[in-house]
Amino acid sequence: EDKVVQSPLSLVVHEGDTVTLNCSYEVTNFRSLLWYKQEKKAPTFLFMLTSSGIEKKSGRLSSILDKKELFSILNITATQTGDSAVYLCAVHDSGNTPLVFGKGTRLSVIA
Amino acid sequence: DVKVTQSSRYLVKRTGEKVFLECVQDMDHENMFWYRQDPGLGLRLIYFSYDVKMKEKGDIPEGYSVSREKKERFSLILESASTNQTSMYLCASSLNLAGYTFGSGTRLTVV
Repeated sequence: EDKVVQSPLSLVVHEGDTVTLNCSYEVTNFRSLLWYKQEKKAPTFLFMLTSSGIEKKSGRLSSILDKKELFSILNITATQTGDSAVYLCAVHDSGNTPLVFGKGTRLSVIA
Repeated sequence: DVKVTQSSRYLVKRTGEKVFLECVQDMDHENMFWYRQDPGLGLRLIYFSYDVKMKEKGDIPEGYSVSREKKERFSLILESASTNQTSMYLCASSLNLAGYTFGSGTRLTVV
């Protein structure tokens, strides 16, 4: 049973659209949720969220966490072709456990 | 910036060969991880290590082993490569278990 579920698994949008990517999780002792962007190679860090309701923002990307409903969203406004990538959500559970990753959302932005 | 270097970007090996995938990080991180990434399955944890000479099995350790003789180097070993081990292999390191830095990945094809 997957502990971190991302939706949709894939998405095709046109440049300029706004997209929302979803990540729900179920872990015993939540510590943090992380978003990564993966283009052709290494995933690169986007955000780490630990507190509910506090939006993290970087340019056109933003993310927020809801610890009561156990989910996070990643928003991208005014999408560009360079936003095409796989977006990975990961959750850090208690203690000494490695990150648990979702399957990712593949976003394709077409001109 | 932390650098995680994987020795090969692309590798082609024959069934039954012993395969070594090398990963080196340059920031004195205690924690290192090996994942494989397959379409539709996301990142799956193979092995991880929190210290020199220490190793822990992840979710899919069968057919793999690891070696961590020095803090900066974490090697993944395929004892007898099989076609179902064709995949993208990602190494990561972290200081505090929450934020990972990934290598660029090794795309392994077993023929």
